Amino acid sequence: ETGVTQTPRHLVMGMTNKKSLKCEQHLGHNAMYWYKQSAKKPLELMFVYNFKEQTENNSVPSRFSPECPNSSHLFLHLHTLQPEDSALYLCASSQSSNRAGGYGYTFGSGTRLTVV
Amino acid sequence: AQKITQTQPGMFVQEKEAVTLDCTYDTSDPSYGLFWYKQPSSGEMIFLIYQGSYDQQNATEGRYSLNFQKARKSANLVISASQLGDSAMYFCAMREGGGGSYIPTFGRGTSLIVHP
Repeated sequence: ETGVTQTPRHLVMGMTNKKSLKCEQHLGHNAMYWYKQSAKKPLELMFVYNFKEQTENNSVPSRFSPECPNSSHLFLHLHTLQPEDSALYLCASSQSSNRAGGYGYTFGSGTRLTVV
Repeated sequence: AQKITQTQPGMFVQEKEAVTLDCTYDTSDPSYGLFWYKQPSSGEMIFLIYQGSYDQQNATEGRYSLNFQKARKSANLVISASQLGDSAMYFCAMREGGGGSYIPTFGRGTSLIVHP
């Protein structure tokens, strides 16, 4: 496989459930990102990992918990979510979060999450 | 203040005609980069084209060109000879060169529908 792969593609969960989103990249990149895309809102950056270290957390509620065990994998653990958390969650990767470059910022296809 | 502004929530174009999607940006950093991404209904964000602030020529990639007007701080995307498969959301994004973080900021997007 090439590129950035996200699983599952769709997820429906209750407010008391615990689930995890997975992202895997096969591009040799060192930075990985979680974004939230809600209807009629700009893409919101949630977390940034650079060389497995979390470098940004954009005031994301603690019911979202990221994990980056290595440079190729990124998880988003979800628990006690709210209906307003329903959105498309996109993962992206790049060479590094602190290096310039026009290319190499690659997105996955996203996980469409519905909280009921 | 918004760093990236896309004023057209929706655009319609006839197949085979050209279309321009508007993007204006706001930065005081002399070094920056501008991106355009396409997001079909499948959800994946697909990189289209990049323009660096010091690039002398307007960027082109196949049917995509970026009309970069630095003084006006605009970076419009021009799609020539539209195809039905061009129907999608289009996002303009900017990364700024200073401060060590090169993570792009995204606009709200423009929905493009190509009619047969």
